[in-house]
Amino acid sequence: QVQLVQSGADVKEPGASVKVSCKASGYTFTDYYIHWLRQAPGQGLEWMGRVNPKSGGTNFAQKFQGRVTLTRDTSISTAYMELSRLRSDDTAVFYCARGWTMSVSYFDFWGQGSLVTVSS
Amino acid sequence: VVMTQSPLSLPVTLGQPASISCRSSQSLLRVDGYTYLNWFQQRPGQSPRRLIYNVFNRDSGVPDRFSGSGSGTDFTLRISRVEAEDVGVYYCMQGSDWPPTFGQGTQVEIK
Repeated sequence: QVQLVQSGADVKEPGASVKVSCKASGYTFTDYYIHWLRQAPGQGLEWMGRVNPKSGGTNFAQKFQGRVTLTRDTSISTAYMELSRLRSDDTAVFYCARGWTMSVSYFDFWGQGSLVTVSS
Repeated sequence: VVMTQSPLSLPVTLGQPASISCRSSQSLLRVDGYTYLNWFQQRPGQSPRRLIYNVFNRDSGVPDRFSGSGSGTDFTLRISRVEAEDVGVYYCMQGSDWPPTFGQGTQVEIK
């Protein structure tokens, strides 16, 4: 069965960086984009960007451009999201979700979420 | 594309129908003939789950009491008979234009 398993919760100080992983199983990793989304406490969903696991190509929401790095390791079917220059308002749950590369298809499976707390 | 949902809070009686509206700031009909409007459910403490894709297609395992309809800029998610497990926040999301965007969410609660 399809699974996206994310890394655990993390606490970072303002100005630091955080790297979240998303391990895929149950499907061909390179057939689906891995998207990253953010959900601040009590707030809605916000799309951050996506990586094409086959090519490594990336696309980003404008507000995250320059602060987010998306990578993948196809040998272990894992995608990574690194957010730099953390601020207190980056405190959120980060989700990975997949979308088929061969059509306009979004978020049919999600990871369990990774809580990142930014606090001094 | 700005997605606007209403209402933002929806108290419902068990066994009664419920309806959530989603309006987009521009038409979501693409030149390929498809309309990429999705609905997601987020139960308390859980990850979102896709219920409906491309306006009216139910995802695998989604109960048939959930249905989606609409076209152009106006879309609706209906629950024919609300059950206790339907409590949560529902989001519409468009993938017709770049970047993908979500509505603010509608909180469904039991009266």
